[in-house]
Amino acid sequence: NAGVTQTPKFQVLKTGQSMTLQCAQDMNHNSMYWYRQDPGMGLRLIYYSASEGTTDKGEVPNGYNVSRLNKREFSLRLESAAPSQTSVYFCASSRDGSNQPQHFGDGTRLSIL
Amino acid sequence: GESVGLHLPTLSVQEGDNSIINCAYSNSASDYFIWYKQESGKGPQFIIDIRSNMDKRQGQRVTVLLNKTVKHLSLQIAATQPGDSAVYFCAETFSGSARQLTFGSGTQLTVLP
Repeated sequence: NAGVTQTPKFQVLKTGQSMTLQCAQDMNHNSMYWYRQDPGMGLRLIYYSASEGTTDKGEVPNGYNVSRLNKREFSLRLESAAPSQTSVYFCASSRDGSNQPQHFGDGTRLSIL
Repeated sequence: GESVGLHLPTLSVQEGDNSIINCAYSNSASDYFIWYKQESGKGPQFIIDIRSNMDKRQGQRVTVLLNKTVKHLSLQIAATQPGDSAVYFCAETFSGSARQLTFGSGTQLTVLP
């Protein structure tokens, strides 16, 4: 069972470069989420998509854009990477907006030099 | 803003003993809580959840207790094993938030041989 798959697993960028992080889930979930995790901290929500065709800002959306390509895929784009965006990025999905747990991928470790 | 916090950043227990990890939350509107386990280099893994209409829920070797009066959540792990060593996060959400999760900063559990 693949669950939530994120690519790439690691990436190093220079300041100002752009990049898209990919996420796909095979659980037929309606809702998808992007989080970032900084050292010693919990996860903070960047953007989410409650259902196919909708996206909304989370707690820390500045500097990011997202696309819900279809029900399976939800991508996160950094248009002009900054060192402050060095972090581990996690994608998650859940069946819907009811009381169901979110299931996470294994993350993309991104360093901005 | 309101947030979820943990009482202790680290916890060390002897193998075979029971572990208790605590979590305080401040949003009285939160009605769904989840515990996640995160191993090094991995994404958060769902352990157990509880809805606000319950005060206790049991899983395999784990029990979650919810005290809404003092806004406190705990995770009990019975007969702790070396494989339980990880960071544990509590997360909260409430209806109307599109099920956005707010995470605590985590507790590092170390199981001693």
